[in-house]
Amino acid sequence: DADVTQTPRNRITKTGKRIMLECSQTKGHDRMYWYRQDPGLGLRLIYYSFDVKDINKGEISDGYSVSRQAQAKFSLSLESAIPNQTALYFCATQRGTGGSTDTQYFGPGTRLTVL
Amino acid sequence: AQSVAQPEDQVNVAEGNPLTVKCTYSVSGNPYLFWYVQYPNRGLQFLLKYITGDNLVKGSYGFEAEFNKSQTSFHLKKPSALVSDSALYFCAVRDSTNDYKLSFGAGTTVTVRA
Repeated sequence: DADVTQTPRNRITKTGKRIMLECSQTKGHDRMYWYRQDPGLGLRLIYYSFDVKDINKGEISDGYSVSRQAQAKFSLSLESAIPNQTALYFCATQRGTGGSTDTQYFGPGTRLTVL
Repeated sequence: AQSVAQPEDQVNVAEGNPLTVKCTYSVSGNPYLFWYVQYPNRGLQFLLKYITGDNLVKGSYGFEAEFNKSQTSFHLKKPSALVSDSALYFCAVRDSTNDYKLSFGAGTTVTVRA
């Protein structure tokens, strides 16, 4: 969805390096999410944010941190990258006012390789 | 607790034939069900969702899905597959008791041969 953008699209880094993945959205949604996708495992939730002041851990938050700089921006950081963090990372947004029925909309993904 | 299973890693069909991608779910409350598609080197695109009402839901690109409460299933279907439908398909569920968490299946790779 062009309304959700992620940078960079591809990144190769080395073990121990700090790296930041960025997500921006123009959908005006309050809620933003970070997922990682691994083959055969589907998507797993890393962190989510309901608004600028509300950040929550997902099911696999160890080794990651996030920052919600504005309603439209949500960044994911790997403080010290390790090879098993090699994955495809997706940002998603959700309106937040529709409750359980709201759809999540995804960005194009960032392919991260940690050597 | 909520979970989704996609029992087939891969589905292969000939162009013009019907396509079915299977999904079963488990939730505590009422299920809200979603299908997404991921084309090569692209993000996840929303196809359709079931919230309530008619068990047959129509979505984008000619896809539809049938909700079956007794079998806890939400299979994705297309009457006549196209080569361009070749992609990775994800089923996801949200329990009505929460308004944010989506649980995804492992994905099914669909290959449509000409």
